[in-house]
Amino acid sequence: QVQLVESGGGVVQPGRSLRLSCIAAGFTFRSYAMHWVRQAPGKGLEWVAVTSKDGSNKYYADSVKGRFTISRDNSKNTLYLQMNSPRAEDTAVYYCARPVWFGEFDGFDIWGQGTMVTVSS
Amino acid sequence: EIVMTQSPATLSVSPGERATLSCRASQSVRSNLAWYQQKPGQAPRLLIYGASTRATGIPARFSGSGSETEFTLTISSLQSEDFAVYYCQQYNKWPPITFGGGTKVEIK
Repeated sequence: QVQLVESGGGVVQPGRSLRLSCIAAGFTFRSYAMHWVRQAPGKGLEWVAVTSKDGSNKYYADSVKGRFTISRDNSKNTLYLQMNSPRAEDTAVYYCARPVWFGEFDGFDIWGQGTMVTVSS
Repeated sequence: EIVMTQSPATLSVSPGERATLSCRASQSVRSNLAWYQQKPGQAPRLLIYGASTRATGIPARFSGSGSETEFTLTISSLQSEDFAVYYCQQYNKWPPITFGGGTKVEIK
């Protein structure tokens, strides 16, 4: 069964750190670029970051650039999001998402269930 | 960054009626547009990609059309399970990938 399972969310104080994980199953993880998308409470979807298949290329939304780091371990079928210096506005459900194809991007067809991150003192 | 604008914000429709949702891009995205459905407490579900191609398992009552800057998602005959929030997403020029603000389809 193709699935993504996130973990690592919780309450974090502003300025501290948190690492989210996303374990993939049921497909060849190393063949796909992987993304993080977030959704603040009651708000819409916001793309956060992407890593290439081998982890050599990474891109970020301006809102998290310089604070968050996306990475992956293909030997463990796991995607990560290291959140440093989080702010209150980073409070959201964080989803990992897989593109439809392992080549050209055409949307996300596989999503995790999401993990909630609350940034609060 | 390409800005995606969806309208209306809320659409009230009776079961069995047609729903038409709009999405506009601030610049051409060609046909590089997807639509998602999201229900409360759930992850989004991909409905349409390439502006008009239904994703695997999506019923034929969902159809997408448009190109360049104007796009439409049509639900031909609303079922009870279709009441949800719908998002468009452009991927023609990224990063960043950008989403519209969403349209909530509610029961009239």
